[in-house]
Amino acid sequence: DAGVTQSPTHLIKTRGQQVTLRCSPKSGHDTVSWYQQALGQGPQFIFQYYEEEERQRGNFPDRFSGHQFPNYSSELNVNALLLGDSALYLCASLEGGYTDTQYFGPGTRLTVL
Amino acid sequence: KNEVEQSPQNLTAQEGEFITINCSYSVGISALHWLQQHPGGGIVSLFMLSSGKKKHGRLIATINIQEKHSSLHITASHPRDSAVYICAVLDSNYQLIWGAGTKLIIKP
Repeated sequence: DAGVTQSPTHLIKTRGQQVTLRCSPKSGHDTVSWYQQALGQGPQFIFQYYEEEERQRGNFPDRFSGHQFPNYSSELNVNALLLGDSALYLCASLEGGYTDTQYFGPGTRLTVL
Repeated sequence: KNEVEQSPQNLTAQEGEFITINCSYSVGISALHWLQQHPGGGIVSLFMLSSGKKKHGRLIATINIQEKHSSLHITASHPRDSAVYICAVLDSNYQLIWGAGTKLIIKP
């Protein structure tokens, strides 16, 4: 049984570009959360998707958007990239829409030049 | 003041020592997580607690809901335990509030 997978592993973009990150949850999980972890800091909650809708959102601008597909996989989109968007983006999946035990993916390392 | 406070921020110990990492929180929670993050970013969920105590191998986690405090203990520490240990609490809005993490280094 595959755990949470994320793609790509690493990504380099330039300021102003747009990026899409992808996450496939653990089998049987229907809820996906996205986190941003800047270097040397703890992860910050971006948003959570459940039943293909954004359920909760952290303190991130509208440049950060997401989507959840019927198979529960999810995308994180960031528009008009800024240097400060450089971070590790983590996806976590959980079962049932309630944060019982979250399983984290390996992350996508985004570098904005 | 942060809603989740961890101590110490950094901890260096010798192999075999008993390790304790503390977490205090100020919000109402339904659960508390201890997570382990290795260099490179991979995060592993160690424990999810809502009361009492849990044990997994050499790791023990306790929580005192009344005192809003949790501890993570590592017995017979080993260099492979070196990582950042993060305490995170689940608030009433289903969000995880993260502590800043404790960087643990175990020297051989």
